Amino acid sequence: GENVEQHPSTLSVQEGDSAVIKCTYSDSASNYFPWYKQELGKRPQLIIDIRSNVGEKKDQRIAVTLNKTAKHFSLHITETQPEDSAVYFCAASKVSGGYNKLIFGAGTRLAVHP
Amino acid sequence: DVKVTQSSRYLVKRTGEKVFLECVQDMDHENMFWYRQDPGLGLRLIYFSYDVKMKEKGDIPEGYSVSREKKERFSLILESASTNQTSMYLCASSLGGLAGGRDEQYFGPGTRLTVT
Repeated sequence: GENVEQHPSTLSVQEGDSAVIKCTYSDSASNYFPWYKQELGKRPQLIIDIRSNVGEKKDQRIAVTLNKTAKHFSLHITETQPEDSAVYFCAASKVSGGYNKLIFGAGTRLAVHP
Repeated sequence: DVKVTQSSRYLVKRTGEKVFLECVQDMDHENMFWYRQDPGLGLRLIYFSYDVKMKEKGDIPEGYSVSREKKERFSLILESASTNQTSMYLCASSLGGLAGGRDEQYFGPGTRLTVT
């Protein structure tokens, strides 16, 4: 079955620096790749997603890139701020039958220090 | 705003007890999911449902069952709780019917279950 590996497990940066989180997936038929952010004590929330027909997507300070050949995708956060501190989860899915069965990575705990 | 609620934030049960976790969504979503979240393991799918009375196994269904009698409600059942089921349980729902497109999952606040 699908497997998603996520690195690093923890990431510590200074405010204003960039942060990059990388994920690889195993099923070449996967076609949808969302990223969820979970702040401490809160529920995960979708922050950005990308479909397999797109190589890059940007939304203000966050961007996601996808390399289908290598089967990996990455989250880039620029000009990090303390409120970016959270656990980030990547996921992959193969959409079928009208629902997304997401396979999540293990998560990356990002700490942004003022 | 989509609202997904779970019946309890914290629950303590004894080994062997039958445990019910309930999830309710108010946005007429087709799909509902149950995950467990453990440190270093991310979110692992237990079961999901894409319609009333329909259910599909996720990646770790052993020891669990589910029930979806109404569209808005999805229950997770631990038939005989064991200590290795101590975890955070998250419910989610999504609109569905968007093959190839975004199908954002909206999560509930979670239930932290401790089995002693």
